[in-house]
Amino acid sequence: SQKIEQNSEALNIQEGKTATLTCNYTNYSPAYLQWYRQDPGRGPVFLLLIRENEKEKRKERLKVTFDTTLKQSLFHITASQPADSATYLCAPRKNAGNMLTFGGGTRLMVKP
Amino acid sequence: SQTIHQWPATLVQPVGSPLSLECTVEGTSNPNLYWYRQAAGRGLQLLFYSVGIGQISSEVPQNLSASRPQDRQFILSSKKLLLSDSGFYLCAWTRGGALGEQFFGPGTRLTVL
Repeated sequence: SQKIEQNSEALNIQEGKTATLTCNYTNYSPAYLQWYRQDPGRGPVFLLLIRENEKEKRKERLKVTFDTTLKQSLFHITASQPADSATYLCAPRKNAGNMLTFGGGTRLMVKP
Repeated sequence: SQTIHQWPATLVQPVGSPLSLECTVEGTSNPNLYWYRQAAGRGLQLLFYSVGIGQISSEVPQNLSASRPQDRQFILSSKKLLLSDSGFYLCAWTRGGALGEQFFGPGTRLTVL
């Protein structure tokens, strides 16, 4: 069955450092993958989309990579700030249609 | 601009009682609509999606049902709630035919006692 794995343990880093979050998927080949940010008690907010033919995508301090051979996406936040503290969800597209499969998310804590 | 509304924000219901959660979208037409449930500390589980009025697809067999009586209205219902129905319910929309960037509502926190 299709499976998405994100580190369920919280990632604690110091302000100013680069945070790197991992998303691994098995048993399918998504045409694209999205990353979302979710704050406690709120709905997720879209951050970035990367297609299968793109190796890397950037947006301000965010960078996403997509390795279809390793079946992995990495999400980087450079020069992290306490305001970046949140849970980050990866969401590969399902095999058909406009539907996503969400990972369980990784909680990021940036300490001042 | 587009906005998505959900209500109520929180709900406490006894086991066996009915449920009706409503989601409406403004500022767009013919959106794809989705209902998700998120258990505490878990990822989002897709429950239902709809590509048009009266068109509902279920992802997971369960105690819930969905309806889309109008283009921008999506309703999640249950005739008899179970304890396992507790969770954070999120409605989302995407532009029909576009890559699936999803816009989420504020969510409803449901506690079944």
